[in-house]
Amino acid sequence: DAGITQSPRHKVTETGTPVTLRCHQTENHRYMYWYRQDPGHGLRLIHYSYGVKDTDKGEVSDGYSVSRSKTEDFLLTLESATSSQTSVYFCAISEATGKETQYFGPGTRLLVL
Amino acid sequence: GIQVEQSPPDLILQEGANSTLRCNFSDSVNNLQWFHQNPWGQLINLFYIPSGTKQNGRLSATTVATERYSLLYISSSQTTDSGVYFCAVVGTTDSWGKLQFGAGTQVVVTP
Repeated sequence: DAGITQSPRHKVTETGTPVTLRCHQTENHRYMYWYRQDPGHGLRLIHYSYGVKDTDKGEVSDGYSVSRSKTEDFLLTLESATSSQTSVYFCAISEATGKETQYFGPGTRLLVL
Repeated sequence: GIQVEQSPPDLILQEGANSTLRCNFSDSVNNLQWFHQNPWGQLINLFYIPSGTKQNGRLSATTVATERYSLLYISSSQTTDSGVYFCAVVGTTDSWGKLQFGAGTQVVVTP
């Protein structure tokens, strides 16, 4: 399996607080993705990165920002957490865009009270 | 965007049975992957299969890209096969590799 870790694995926070989730890879893959998984919606793309400092929005990006200062780390920040952001967050990596296997991290369970 | 439909939505199997899961997609794809999400929530890669046939142990998959469908076969099912199976695709018009997931097939294998 690809070397992808996510931290924290579980987090409980309160509405209005900022939260940062970290994705770390040891594969030196160029492309990194953040998805969220919710019942009834499957997995949906939040943001993606196609290189250091190169990021763009996915289909559900409102309320989220990302940063990638090193190849191996992709951070997802909830500026002011809301209950609608309670979800399971998955990071994924890929060596090439669209035509290679995407590998997923173990996920982070976030509960916003 | 590209639509992905999986069937059946639920499947209950007795241990040892065989089954076929189907994934239909609405447009041409560069990438098609099958995943197994186990009861602990982990997404496990099963196959990268935008076309052709692959086998891995008791699992095999076939994608007929020209007819826009893929099939996942589970043979001699075991209780550890329980979980949700997802099909996900990247359309040829997608520049950045966004995987579009189907709703999944929930599989329960009983002893």
